Amino acid sequence: DAMVIQNPRYQVTQFGKPVTLSCSQTLNHNVMYWYQQKSSQAPKLLFHYYDKDFNNEADTPDNFQSRRPNTSFCFLDIRSPGLGDAAMYLCATSSGNRGGNEKLFFGSGTQLSVL
Amino acid sequence: AQSVTQLDSQVPVFEEAPVELRCNYSSSVSVYLFWYVQYPNQGLQLLLKYLSGSTLVKGINGFEAEFNKSQTSFHLRKPSVHISDTAEYFCAVSATSGTYKYIFGTGTRLKVLA
Repeated sequence: DAMVIQNPRYQVTQFGKPVTLSCSQTLNHNVMYWYQQKSSQAPKLLFHYYDKDFNNEADTPDNFQSRRPNTSFCFLDIRSPGLGDAAMYLCATSSGNRGGNEKLFFGSGTQLSVL
Repeated sequence: AQSVTQLDSQVPVFEEAPVELRCNYSSSVSVYLFWYVQYPNQGLQLLLKYLSGSTLVKGINGFEAEFNKSQTSFHLRKPSVHISDTAEYFCAVSATSGTYKYIFGTGTRLKVLA
């Protein structure tokens, strides 16, 4: 089945140690998103790509970077994780074609812990 | 820019009772509207969506929602809930043109009691 896959499911890193989270999709969607979700809060959009066009949210910290080397893969790099970066990170995709099929497809998320 | 307000952070309800989860949005442009459900330790799953046409939309698991443009609302309803409906429910909006961003509300935790 076509899907959005995030690895790993759980990630533990140390304070200040760079970490990379991965996302892949078999849907061939144009748009890929990274959301940060803290406990009992709304998913917060960090950035999204339309194809290779990168769109950063104004309030996304510089500590967060992203790469999309091809249509299928997208990475979230946290350069120097702080304790406040511990959260669930959700990857999502959408077709980018407006109309009847418009919706977000989510991966299962990566739960990041910072020690 | 768009924003979403979910007025109730938690809604307890007894099994087989009806439930309504409220969602209001703000936008200067036309929007698509969505409800997503999140079970513990899982990603978000689409319940239903309003893109155009009939303002009453039906989704999975017996849920439905009604788009009210004049009140800028998109409330979610189910006539009879089950224990398995216990989850977090998020309302979201996305502009129909321009940006591809989806903006989420803060969520409503539905707790179904036996």
